[in-house]
Parts: sequence; C-alpha cells; structure tokens
Amino acid sequence: NFMLTQPLSVSESPGKTVTISCTRTSGSIASNYVQWYQQRPGSSPTIVIFQDSQRPSGVPDRFSGSIDISSNSASLAISGLKTEDEADYYCQSYDRSLWVFGGGTKLTVL
Amino acid sequence: EVQLVESGGGVVQPGGSLRLSCAASGFTFDDYDMHWVRQAPGKGLEWVSLISGDGSKTSYADSVKGRFTISRDNIKNSLYLQMTSLTTEDTALYYCAKVATIFGVVLNYFDFWGQGTLVTVSS
Repeated sequence: NFMLTQPLSVSESPGKTVTISCTRTSGSIASNYVQWYQQRPGSSPTIVIFQDSQRPSGVPDRFSGSIDISSNSASLAISGLKTEDEADYYCQSYDRSLWVFGGGTKLTVL
Repeated sequence: EVQLVESGGGVVQPGGSLRLSCAASGFTFDDYDMHWVRQAPGKGLEWVSLISGDGSKTSYADSVKGRFTISRDNIKNSLYLQMTSLTTEDTALYYCAKVATIFGVVLNYFDFWGQGTLVTVSS
C-alpha cells in the first residue's frame, strides 16, 4: 500500500498564493487520480478538486490542482487567499479498492 | 437534497462492539458506492471501508480488517458498520460518505458527507 505525505502546516497572507504538496510514497502519482478536500473547524470535509485538476461547480477558480510526475506529487494551489480559506486540506487517492488520505495540511491565512 | 445522517456512536469499553448506521435520502441509494471514513480527535481523515452499490464488493483498511464489517440495506436506504474488538485507537468521529458518480461512471471522490457519529472507546 502507498501513503500520501503532506506538510503539516503552511501559512500565507491574504491576497497571496499558497501551494500545498502531496507526495505519493510508492507507485506513480499518475496511476490514480488525486482529490483535495477542505475541512473547516467543526465541519465535514468538502471536495475542492477532483481528478487531479477538476473543480466541482461552486468552487472558486482560485483553487487549482496539478500533478508532477518527476516529483511523484500532486499540488493544490490557492490564489488570492481569503481568510475564509483558512482550513485543513487533505489529498486523497486510491489503488484498486483501497483509498488513502494524506495526513492533512493546516492552512493559516494571516 | 442529499442527506446522510449517522447514528449509533457512543462510549464502549475496549474489546466491545458497536454498530453504526447511516440513513441516506435525496438520491437513488443503490446506484452509489458508499464509504466510512473516520477522524480521531484532533487528527486527520482515515479511510475505513467501502461497499459497492449492490453490496457485492467490500474493502477495508488494514487497521480494521477482520474486526469491522460494512453492509447496506438498499430497501431501507441505510449503510452500516459493525465494529468488534474495539480498541482505544478506534476512538474517532465516523463519517459516512457518498461516492460521486456521473452517468454511471464512478469518479472516486466523495461528493457528500454526513456530520459524523462519535465513537469513544474507553474503560
């Protein structure tokens, strides 16, 4: 089984751009799609990116996703940061019938 | 409107058992794979188990395999998680989650989550 490794925390100022990484420990990051979820305190997670780079309807285009085969990682970028973006972010992927979440990254907008 | 409402959580002693339920509404339940995901207090998300729409396929995380059983009743629009041999490491908020599907194609992400039911394993 593989794991997804994320930084514990990132911080950035309002209006700036932040990038959160998610590195797959074994197997290719391109083998299975990567998803990203946002979880605000006290709330259930919500999807912000699916299939590596697709945004569900209702998610602002400030959110974007990508993968980098050379580093075997996926990234979530949030531009024009707002205080409301402050939350925990989780990457998620799967391999056959086993699903995996990254450990989560706490985004602080200060 | 899609709704997922978990129930059945509570305090249980180590070695005990508990059965969680998730009542689904607002969508054709048997068309969708369903999962359980848990979150220990102050910790990250951990995938627990999945079941296919017709109940024929199940899968479990290594941490719960052999102790937890996922099932569903498509007549009652309900998802279940039978948990046995519980340990303190199973203490968590347990979410049920619906898998997104478009035109019958499973997209392998969760588009709806319940609010969770808290399981506390403590003596």
